[in-house]
Amino acid sequence: GQQLNQSPQSMFIQEGEDVSMNCTSSSIFNTWLWYKQDPGEGPVLLIALYKAGELTSNGRLTAQFGITRKDSFLNISASIPSDVGIYFCAGQRAGGGNKLTFGTGTQLKVEL
Amino acid sequence: GAVVSQHPSRVICKSGTSVKIECRSLDFQATTMFWYRQFPKKSLMLMATSNEGSKATYEQGVEKDKFLINHASLTLSTLTVTSAHPEDSSFYICSASGFEERPYEQYFGPGTRLTVT
Repeated sequence: GQQLNQSPQSMFIQEGEDVSMNCTSSSIFNTWLWYKQDPGEGPVLLIALYKAGELTSNGRLTAQFGITRKDSFLNISASIPSDVGIYFCAGQRAGGGNKLTFGTGTQLKVEL
Repeated sequence: GAVVSQHPSRVICKSGTSVKIECRSLDFQATTMFWYRQFPKKSLMLMATSNEGSKATYEQGVEKDKFLINHASLTLSTLTVTSAHPEDSSFYICSASGFEERPYEQYFGPGTRLTVT
């Protein structure tokens, strides 16, 4: 099935650095969600976005719903070791019912 | 709020046997539950969508007779892998949605690691 393109695929950063990742699609999405998954666990919802242009924060995390409705961005400020994990974007596509389409994932590794 | 549990967390079974995985929403009523499969270092692949009291809708390529889904109540859905084979070994994750004001937010269980020997 369709997947959203996420970049970068993986990142290795220093503790304290800011992190940016994005998610793009050729289709229009009505809702964007960002999840974090730790090894052997289910994804945890971080941020949900409902309107084009919307910018929402959750602690050190900030996500934006792209104006074109075909992309979304997630920023993490001042990364810490527990930020390690895989980040997935997910979107509810126009005409796609209540199913979510998931991104390919961005693996984040933080060096102390 | 929005806690989803799965049981068991890990199961090993012999080829040819059936395995049942339970997914429960603990503090909300899940009008819709979803079942995903995830391979190592890969994204989540939707297998089926189930609404309480009705038949599940399976994604293309997913055998409904092999992966039986039952959503008998607003807090419980089960996935039964019938006649399991080694290629069915995977990480199975359920999710649930049910908040009218946030209909597309899915809350995930911790997953079930199935190993078929």
